[in-house]
Amino acid sequence: KAGVTQTPRYLIKTRGQQVTLSCSPISGHRSVSWYQQTPGQGLQFLFEYFSETQRNKGNFPGRFSGRQFSNSRSEMNVSTLELGDSALYLCASSLGVTGTGGNQPQHFGDGTRLSIL
Amino acid sequence: AQSVTQLDSHVSVSEGTPVLLRCNYSSSYSPSLFWYVQHPNKGLQLLLKYTSAATLVKGINGFEAEFKKSETSFHLTKPSAHMSDAAEYFCVVSDFFYGGSQGNLIFGKGTKLSVKP
Repeated sequence: KAGVTQTPRYLIKTRGQQVTLSCSPISGHRSVSWYQQTPGQGLQFLFEYFSETQRNKGNFPGRFSGRQFSNSRSEMNVSTLELGDSALYLCASSLGVTGTGGNQPQHFGDGTRLSIL
Repeated sequence: AQSVTQLDSHVSVSEGTPVLLRCNYSSSYSPSLFWYVQHPNKGLQLLLKYTSAATLVKGINGFEAEFKKSETSFHLTKPSAHMSDAAEYFCVVSDFFYGGSQGNLIFGKGTKLSVKP
């Protein structure tokens, strides 16, 4: 079974631009979560989607948005990029919504490394 | 409120010696606890999870962890370190169910494990 696929793996942008990252979950998984990982802040939760609906949201500004399609694939968009947005963005998929019964573990992709110049 | 503290930011061991990575948690409900490993430029891989069954949890690659409610700890151990174990390890806590608040998954800051030959 193929794992979580994130594209692109690396991306370089300049301040003020916008970017879209893509995540294809494991087949059959309906929940997709996004995380930002930086050396200073560690892993921080961005948002979670399940059945095309945002179910949970972290504490990030509105410049960070996402969506999920009917095939469970998800995209994350960051507008008006800032230097501080340079990070590894990780996507994770699971069978159910995080926190609900059974606490299905999340399976992570290898991430998209975003560098802002 | 949930929280997780990894007591060591960096642990160094010699190959063939035991590994101990310490994690303490705080949770209002019955927690689920996970350990993930991250190799450089990769996503996170699940090592093991505790979800209120046996308190001693066996994971992949010879790792295991013991849930101790009285000490609110979930330390990760391995009897004999291998060079390939060098990576960063994350302890993660998730409360059972009442989903909706910031994704319910709280990550520790991580412990970098170095293995000397």
